[in-house]
Amino acid sequence: GAVVSQHPSRVICKSGTSVKIECRSLDFQATTMFWYRQFPKKSLMLMATSNEGSKATYEQGVEKDKFLINHASLTLSTLTVTSAHPEDSSFYICSARDSFRGKETQYFGPGTRLLVL
Amino acid sequence: GESVGLHLPTLSVQEGDNSIINCAYSNSASDYFIWYKQESGKGPQFIIDIRSNMDKRQGQRVTVLLNKTVKHLSLQIAATQPGDSAVYFCAEEAQGGSEKLVFGKGMKLTVNP
Repeated sequence: GAVVSQHPSRVICKSGTSVKIECRSLDFQATTMFWYRQFPKKSLMLMATSNEGSKATYEQGVEKDKFLINHASLTLSTLTVTSAHPEDSSFYICSARDSFRGKETQYFGPGTRLLVL
Repeated sequence: GESVGLHLPTLSVQEGDNSIINCAYSNSASDYFIWYKQESGKGPQFIIDIRSNMDKRQGQRVTVLLNKTVKHLSLQIAATQPGDSAVYFCAEEAQGGSEKLVFGKGMKLTVNP
């Protein structure tokens, strides 16, 4: 149980294009999902909290118009990197919590490696 | 911003030895702590958690110790195996229901056969 998937696992795009990353909770429902960014040999940094049916909450310093988050259902959140630039290249990871069953643990997806050329 | 040239702290152990990975957390208001294991190119994998009303919790081959006085968390792995080689992160969640996790810097564990 508690499986979170991400798609795609890897993406290469040209500078200026937009890229959408999907995060799905496969066997549970999540009112809240989280998006993290991770640079090589570094820790995870929370970008935003994705709330089902409402606007995402962004961490300080994260541009909401740059990183669009949509949480349209209890099992799917998407992160769209708009007008991507090489500095957006990173490992993006989502997590979800089975809040309906009162479980605290966040389960993470396998991550999406984004490379912007 | 990110510092250039910093590398993850590394712990090297022999297969079969016990490993201890330490973590200092910053927020005295945190009341839930988790250890995650991250293999190269993958997302973090839950290992074990502990609430602030406990000071020790055991799982299969792993034990987490919490010292709230000095804000210190440790992960002990018994009989370390090559498959335990990974980066280990501690994470803390502040009380109040924000659900937000703050991750520590991580420790790379290398198990030599």
